[in-house]
Amino acid sequence: DQQVKQNSPSLSVQEGRISILNCDYTNSMFDYFLWYKKYPAEGPTFLISISSIKDKNEDGRFTVFLNKSAKHLSLHIVPSQPGDSAVYFCAASGGNDMRFGAGTRLTVKP
Amino acid sequence: SQTIHQWPATLVQPVGSPLSLECTVEGTSNPNLYWYRQAAGRGLQLLFYSVGIGQISSEVPQNLSASRPQDRQFILSSKKLLLSDSGFYLCAWSFTSGNTIYFGEGSWLTVV
Repeated sequence: DQQVKQNSPSLSVQEGRISILNCDYTNSMFDYFLWYKKYPAEGPTFLISISSIKDKNEDGRFTVFLNKSAKHLSLHIVPSQPGDSAVYFCAASGGNDMRFGAGTRLTVKP
Repeated sequence: SQTIHQWPATLVQPVGSPLSLECTVEGTSNPNLYWYRQAAGRGLQLLFYSVGIGQISSEVPQNLSASRPQDRQFILSSKKLLLSDSGFYLCAWSFTSGNTIYFGEGSWLTVV
């Protein structure tokens, strides 16, 4: 039962361009959404989050958009840098429950 | 500031042997604690979570168990490992009423 889905397993972007990572969820009880970045053989690191009362949250090059009616969120990275190459997980939480997507591997080419 | 550590970082164990992965959190009291496993193509699967000493909730039936003997210590165990237990295990914590989970470095377990 995948309540959080990242339908694109991989994404390749040129340095300097925008990276857009997408995520869909099914449970309308989720009220907090997060993005994590993960390098190989390391634990995921928290990147950015958004509450369900907002539709946008920005932190430097990273912006998360939330469309509650569509149960969809996205992470925009602009401009993309080679150091952004990693696996990105989206997560959705409600109460003590947090569910993760399967991840999207982002490759930023110089 | 808060820190989380888990060990060992890598482990190679024969089938049928026991397992113990340990995790400790520093810099906070009464955190929520979690064990996740990363499996290929399935993202991060929640195995156990704990909201206090001795309180363990299990998400999926499996060959593993968890214990919380102290406030900031979380242990993942198995009496007899299976080949299918191989994977990358992650300990994590959050504030009692927090929405954000913070992960440890991860432990690679290979069962041979």
